[in-house]
Amino acid sequence: AQTVTQSQPEMSVQEAETVTLSCTYDTSENNYYLFWYKQPPSRQMILVIRQEAYKQQNATENRFSVNFQKAAKSFSLKISDSQLGDTAMYFCAFMSSYGGANSKLTFGKGITLSVRP
Amino acid sequence: DAGVTQSPTHLIKTRGQQVTLRCSPKSGHDTVSWYQQALGQGPQFIFQYYEEEERQRGNFPDRFSGHQFPNYSSELNVNALLLGDSALYLCASSLVLADYEQYFGPGTRLTVT
Repeated sequence: AQTVTQSQPEMSVQEAETVTLSCTYDTSENNYYLFWYKQPPSRQMILVIRQEAYKQQNATENRFSVNFQKAAKSFSLKISDSQLGDTAMYFCAFMSSYGGANSKLTFGKGITLSVRP
Repeated sequence: DAGVTQSPTHLIKTRGQQVTLRCSPKSGHDTVSWYQQALGQGPQFIFQYYEEEERQRGNFPDRFSGHQFPNYSSELNVNALLLGDSALYLCASSLVLADYEQYFGPGTRLTVT
């Protein structure tokens, strides 16, 4: 079974600065997807970024980028130029790429990010 | 294009009662997954429906059951409610051929007293 670990329960960052959120995972599979989801106080879970394990290049989406270290089973999220709207809970998640009956998301416990004005 | 919708938004039930939560997937999606999110925790996978059948199931008791209708909408039923069932219930929809793209609804907050 896969596990996802987010060991930092809370982080705080000044507006316009950069912050990195950590995530480690455990799996015996070679092909899989990793995700970062954002959940603001409105509760809507929003996909921030997705990484496919077979791609060596780290995914980027505007101010969001990841550092994917497959051998170390590490998947961190970097948020550049932090904005007040980035305040939310962030969840790291894993999904097998075999699809079908394996297409469920396994989430970490999340980290609460606060952006200070 | 409507996203994933869920109803009701909030619900208060008493221990031992039964509850039904509803989910309408994003237009064009054919697969619905349900997750339970306890306060301060990450979501836990309950089950997934495709072609009106339960395709996979997480580690939840049989008190949790579901259904998918021909229009792809879905229901989650919980019988004999326990205090520990209090949580945010999230529905996510996807296309079976692109199931790595799951879109979430706003959730139903269930409180069991």
